[in-house]
Amino acid sequence: EDQVTQSPEALRLQEGESSSLNCSYTVSGLRGLFWYRQDPGKGPEFLFTLYSAGEEKEKERLKATLTKKESFLHITAPKPEDSATYLCAVITANSGYELNFGKGTSLLVTP
Amino acid sequence: DGGITQSPKYLFRKEGQNVTLSCEQNLNHDAMYWYRQDPGQGLRLIYYSQIVNDFQKGDIAEGYSVSREKKESFPLTVTSAQKNPTAFYLCASSIQRGGKETQYFGPGTRLLVL
Repeated sequence: EDQVTQSPEALRLQEGESSSLNCSYTVSGLRGLFWYRQDPGKGPEFLFTLYSAGEEKEKERLKATLTKKESFLHITAPKPEDSATYLCAVITANSGYELNFGKGTSLLVTP
Repeated sequence: DGGITQSPKYLFRKEGQNVTLSCEQNLNHDAMYWYRQDPGQGLRLIYYSQIVNDFQKGDIAEGYSVSREKKESFPLTVTSAQKNPTAFYLCASSIQRGGKETQYFGPGTRLLVL
């Protein structure tokens, strides 16, 4: 059975304090790994898609990387507006068109 | 503006009542999806549709029904058979290009039971 596990469940950072969120997966035939940002009471906002080990993508203070077992979302010098829940999801050979989501990491950045 | 709209933002259901959640997209995407989000759990797929007049059950389809009569619209009905309907419902759409696909989400509808 495909599994996606995100850690930590919650993370509190001071403004400017860089850190990483982890998404580990145990799946058959990864076809794509996705990162989304979700603000309270809103729909997830697409951030990145990664398709193969070694791939990296960047957007402003965020950088996503992928290995054969896990993905990291690195946040460099975060600001309070980066506070949100970050969701990881995978599409696999077994899942067809279904995104298999982790439970998310809730990030709070304090001034 | 292109995007996905969901209505209403909040919906209240009485015992034994069917309610319908609206999802519309003007992105010209072929595929549309419904997910349910509960606190402390990942999003779970209810139904999806790859083309008009065709749809498939996801992991938690019991107590729900859908239709796909138009490419732009994918309404979800929560029937009285769904015993625990209180949740945040998210609609998504996607288009495939070169075997790759990204799902984009709407703003969500929060369903509460009276």
